[in-house]
Amino acid sequence: EPEVTQTPSHQVTQMGQEVILRCVPISNHLYFYWYRQILGQKVEFLVSFYNNEISEKSEIFDDQFSVERPDGSNFTLKIRSTKLEDSAMYFCASKEQIYEQYFGPGTRLTVT
Amino acid sequence: KQEVTQIPAALSVPEGENLVLNCSFTDSAIYNLQWFRQDPGKGLTSLLLIQSSQREQTSGRLNASLDKSSGRSTLYIAASQPGDSATYLCAVGEGNAGNMLTFGGGTRLMVKP
Repeated sequence: EPEVTQTPSHQVTQMGQEVILRCVPISNHLYFYWYRQILGQKVEFLVSFYNNEISEKSEIFDDQFSVERPDGSNFTLKIRSTKLEDSAMYFCASKEQIYEQYFGPGTRLTVT
Repeated sequence: KQEVTQIPAALSVPEGENLVLNCSFTDSAIYNLQWFRQDPGKGLTSLLLIQSSQREQTSGRLNASLDKSSGRSTLYIAASQPGDSATYLCAVGEGNAGNMLTFGGGTRLMVKP
């Protein structure tokens, strides 16, 4: 069964460094998403991406964040200058038109 | 701003019991509602999706209902098994094509053998 994959599974970085989290959505899906879950808190929407542009974004998704679909298969989330409070599990998701969103296993980001 | 609440926060039941998990949301103008399962340290597994025009969806031992006007959804699990132990998350979809999911805090379910 097709699934969303994410790499790396765990990323440790120092405060102020740039990180890129990578995702490979399900191949025939058209909508792509990033969510995050800070330990012990709710899953939070960050951004949706469709037709090579951002469709919606939350207040969390400020100028420090960017997304890109550099080729036909990858979808990336970049955090330019990481802060301690960026430490979280980051989930990528994808879907077809009106169906459910399918989530990847997540990347645990630890900022020290 | 949409708020999604799940009650109870935790639930422990003996194997074989039927159970109901509750989800409520404050803004009824939703596109859809999705139930997920999350195992510790893992990603989210989609269980059921209900479009805003639908009243319920079924998959195996799971049945989800939606009452949009009252801002409620329930997930019914029949004949619970130890393998059902996980956190169950409810999320309402809003915005274009239901792109933005707003999640509840989850119900942590333990099914004892």
